[in-house]
Amino acid sequence: TQLLEQSPQFLSIQEGENLTVYCNSSSVFSSLQWYRQEPGEGPVLLVTVVTGGEVKKLKRLTFQFGDARKDSSLHITAAQPGDTGLYLCAGAYTNAGKSTFGDGTTLTVKP
Amino acid sequence: DTGVSQNPRHKITKRGQNVTFRCDPISEHNRLYWYRQTLGQGPEFLTYFQNEAQLEKSRLLSDRFSAERPKGSFSTLEIQRTEQGDSAMYLCASSLDGTDGYTFGSGTRLTVV
Repeated sequence: TQLLEQSPQFLSIQEGENLTVYCNSSSVFSSLQWYRQEPGEGPVLLVTVVTGGEVKKLKRLTFQFGDARKDSSLHITAAQPGDTGLYLCAGAYTNAGKSTFGDGTTLTVKP
Repeated sequence: DTGVSQNPRHKITKRGQNVTFRCDPISEHNRLYWYRQTLGQGPEFLTYFQNEAQLEKSRLLSDRFSAERPKGSFSTLEIQRTEQGDSAMYLCASSLDGTDGYTFGSGTRLTVV
């Protein structure tokens, strides 16, 4: 049973388009992270959200944490080929040792 | 600090051989994690340390896997009697308190032939 469900699994768009990917769970997390991973490399942390309803912006990327702290979304405006990669979400619990990862959304942005 | 360093980057081994991987975390981070990732999947938790203490180990980790973190600095992950199903990317990460996100290394790609 996958604790964190990410959708869509694959997304292929043209440069300049907008997109949203989702991370959903039945569990409440104390914090949630988004990472981006390129082939053959480790994931790179993009953002951590901790407060229900929180919105964070990182240039063209907007991250939102659901009010109930069970889900999150990542919106990219005017996607560029450099945004291509695997986007992973991960949930963490206070006083728990580990974060649990979803299986990611593979994004391809075509020039 | 150059981030989290993992060695080797790639390892090809014959089935039945033992392999050992090393991870050097960010020096200020007291938490160190090992994850395994296969193609099309997200990272899967293996084990984690707070300083030198191994606090949690996944039930998925068979007795052939062992990890150490002597003196709370670098860590090693050993796989004994490797099997083809062990082929994966092994990722190491470190963190200050575990809820602020991880810094990952570049991983060790293991291929068992």
